[in-house]
Amino acid sequence: DVKVTQSSRYLVKRTGEKVFLECVQDMDHENMFWYRQDPGLGLRLIYFSYDVKMKEKGDIPEGYSVSREKKERFSLILESASTNQTSMYLCASSQTLGQVAYEQYFGPGTRLTVT
Amino acid sequence: AQSVTQPDIHITVSEGASLELRCNYSYGATPYLFWYVQSPGQGLQLLLKYFSGDTLVQGIKGFEAEFKRSQSSFNLRKPSVHWSDAAEYFCAVGSNTGNQFYFGTGTSLTVIP
Repeated sequence: DVKVTQSSRYLVKRTGEKVFLECVQDMDHENMFWYRQDPGLGLRLIYFSYDVKMKEKGDIPEGYSVSREKKERFSLILESASTNQTSMYLCASSQTLGQVAYEQYFGPGTRLTVT
Repeated sequence: AQSVTQPDIHITVSEGASLELRCNYSYGATPYLFWYVQSPGQGLQLLLKYFSGDTLVQGIKGFEAEFKRSQSSFNLRKPSVHWSDAAEYFCAVGSNTGNQFYFGTGTSLTVIP
């Protein structure tokens, strides 16, 4: 079974702190994604990566950055956390064949609260 | 632009009743379609997917979905709902010109005894 793990299930940070969310997948998938999920808004893509050291902006990249130094690991960074970044953060991974978007496998999520 | 619409924000059904969750998509080419389920506080789990071929696809937990190109729909169905099916359900369309998914805003399912 594909396994996607996230470093924390719950996280509480203060405004202005630098926050790191880590995601690891064990299926050698090329693609990795970071979403945030808010009630009534569904899942919104923050960043994705289709290869090591490669990254692409999603729909809401402002206030976030990412890092992918190894194929299995994709980190989301909040440079200076703000209260409007309080949310559920979901990591996902998928394989690729050409440009086809195969199914994504999700981690359990990190519920981040910024106070 | 690609988009996915789930018209029902919340649905309540009785245990043992049938269920249909609606999903409409907007996509120029042949879509790759998915349904996911999310239990409270959890990540998303894939229920089923449609890439090509038979338009009626079977998934896990007794769910099925039917792709109707003429209606741009991919509705999820289950003949008899169990209390454990209470969750949030997301429809998604995958691009065949990139690696992105487009998710609907979800339908919350409540199951009453």
